[in-house]
Amino acid sequence: QKEVEQNSGPLSVPEGAIASLNCTYSDRGSQSFFWYRQYSGKSPELIMSIYSNGDKEDGRFTAQLNKASQYVSLLIRDSQPSDSATYLCALRPALIFGKGTKLSVKP
Amino acid sequence: DTGVSQDPRHKITKRGQNVTFRCDPISEHNRLYWYRQTLGQGPEFLTYFQNEAQLEKSRLLSDRFSAERPKGSFSTLEIQRTEQGDSAMYLCAIDPAPNEQFFGPGTRLTVL
Repeated sequence: QKEVEQNSGPLSVPEGAIASLNCTYSDRGSQSFFWYRQYSGKSPELIMSIYSNGDKEDGRFTAQLNKASQYVSLLIRDSQPSDSATYLCALRPALIFGKGTKLSVKP
Repeated sequence: DTGVSQDPRHKITKRGQNVTFRCDPISEHNRLYWYRQTLGQGPEFLTYFQNEAQLEKSRLLSDRFSAERPKGSFSTLEIQRTEQGDSAMYLCAIDPAPNEQFFGPGTRLTVL
């Protein structure tokens, strides 16, 4: 059974801070990992994917993957109130999702 | 715009009725996925098409659920004899590239 675990939160950070979102997974064979953002009542939006160990940066977002520890994280720099949403971690194939972490960025 | 439209966006039905949802990718994509999402949970995989072939079905997809993709373009998901537990957001997704998967806006189903 492939599982993806996320802390449901809520995670609260002040505006301008770094938000750190974490995800662990059970299947060592997983190759690709995805981070999605989901606003209430909307469908998930792809933020970025990562499949190599290390860091991958895209604007204010950095994904970090450690396959040995079966751990993937998402850092959001200079957090904005508009980043307040639920962040979903997912792994391939046929994307297996975690339950998501609710992030709240306070002005 | 993710390149996927879904119809209807909202559906309210009575228990025992049949419902059908449609997913339309704007351009041709080989792979098309259906997911279901309930409140407080991540999306759960239901089924997956490679062109018109249905290649994988989750055990979540009971006999009351059926999906088709007759011409390898749009897809439909039908739920027969709906139950209150079927109330959820039904999401369609496409894979434009190996490390990308984009979702449509979803169809929110409420079963009374």
